[in-house]
Amino acid sequence: EAQVTQNPRYLITVTGKKLTVTCSQNMNHEYMSWYRQDPGLGLRQIYYSMNVEVTDKGDVPEGYKVSRKEKRNFPLILESPSPNQTSLYFCASRSLGGDRGGRTGELFFGEGSRLTVL
Amino acid sequence: GDSVTQMEGPVTLSEEAFLTINCTYTATGYPSLFWYVQYPGEGLQLLLKATKADDKGSNKGFEATYRKETTSFHLEKGSVQVSDSAVYFCALSESGNQFYFGTGTSLTVIP
Repeated sequence: EAQVTQNPRYLITVTGKKLTVTCSQNMNHEYMSWYRQDPGLGLRQIYYSMNVEVTDKGDVPEGYKVSRKEKRNFPLILESPSPNQTSLYFCASRSLGGDRGGRTGELFFGEGSRLTVL
Repeated sequence: GDSVTQMEGPVTLSEEAFLTINCTYTATGYPSLFWYVQYPGEGLQLLLKATKADDKGSNKGFEATYRKETTSFHLEKGSVQVSDSAVYFCALSESGNQFYFGTGTSLTVIP
């Protein structure tokens, strides 16, 4: 089954304790990205990656790191989490094929990771 | 910069009522436009999309037309069902790298 898998799904942690949220996709997609969802703000893009070893900032990258060492995995790293990073996080992937250079490709989302930083 | 503005919710409708959720956008170029749906406890799923002006996206009875002159992409359905209860997000992408989402509109359909 084609899917994007995130772990953990739920996490409560404390300020300053480094954590990693993993994301893995089995669709051989080149593109992967991370979003955070907050009430009244919708989804905001944190980072994206066009392929292995290629990453770029989205709208809200501060306080986050990513890496793309393998095509299927795109972990989100919070080196020193703070309470304002309490949020629902989504990973998504898509193929870069398709019409118009892949621009219209559908995003496939994971089920989300709810993070609480105390 | 690019942005999406969509109708505030929540929206509550009776079954078989007509649905409209408004979405307008700001973009410097010619974006692709999307509607995504999020069911409780799940990630977002693509509902429909349109890639150029005057295109109509449709799926599961939902429709939206890409209107360049009014920079809009309103979502409509003629007769909603209880199973349509979800949060709906309008989104755009010009480059295919960066995606911009609206704030989401929660829809509840009551029997």
